[in-house]
Amino acid sequence: NAGVTQTPKFQVLKTGQSMTLQCAQDMNHNSMYWYRQDPGMGLRLIYYSASEGTTDKGEVPNGYNVSRLNKREFSLRLESAAPSQTSVYFCASTFDRAGNSYTFGSGTRLTVV
Amino acid sequence: AQSVTQLDSHVSVSEGTPVLLRCNYSSSYSPSLFWYVQHPNKGLQLLLKYTSAATLVKGINGFEAEFKKSETSFHLTKPSAHMSDAAEYFCVVSDPNSGYSTLTFGKGTMLLVSP
Repeated sequence: NAGVTQTPKFQVLKTGQSMTLQCAQDMNHNSMYWYRQDPGMGLRLIYYSASEGTTDKGEVPNGYNVSRLNKREFSLRLESAAPSQTSVYFCASTFDRAGNSYTFGSGTRLTVV
Repeated sequence: AQSVTQLDSHVSVSEGTPVLLRCNYSSSYSPSLFWYVQHPNKGLQLLLKYTSAATLVKGINGFEAEFKKSETSFHLTKPSAHMSDAAEYFCVVSDPNSGYSTLTFGKGTMLLVSP
């Protein structure tokens, strides 16, 4: 069982460059999420997709865009990377509204120089 | 709005002694509560969850937590720490009645275990 797969695992960008973080799940989950983790801040929600075809902003959406390509895939795009976006990014998915079946990916460590 | 406060950013214990990681929450509804663990440079692993069933919840690796509504607390405990317990622990709240579930994380407690 692959669960939630994130690519790449590591990335270094220069300020102003763009990139897309990929996330795919094979559990037939309806909802998918992108979080960022910064030291001393816990995880903060960037965007989420309650179901295929819908996306909504979370707590810290500025500087990011997302695409729910199909039920399996949910990508996060940085159009013009900034050093403040240096972080570890986690994708997650869940089947039900209660969030009892959250599954996290292993994370993408992004450094913007 | 929901929120989580982890009362200690770092907790240090000796191997074999009890562990207590404290968490208070705020939620407008009856929340679901979770504890996650993250070992260095690893992803997140679910330790245990409370979803309005028994107030004392048992999780993996000997951890347990008690939901106390009157105190709005969900503290994590373990009777005897192991070296392998050294990690960062996150208390998390979810409000299933507010729409599609999003998790609100506490800022984390780093557990240090000394020999």
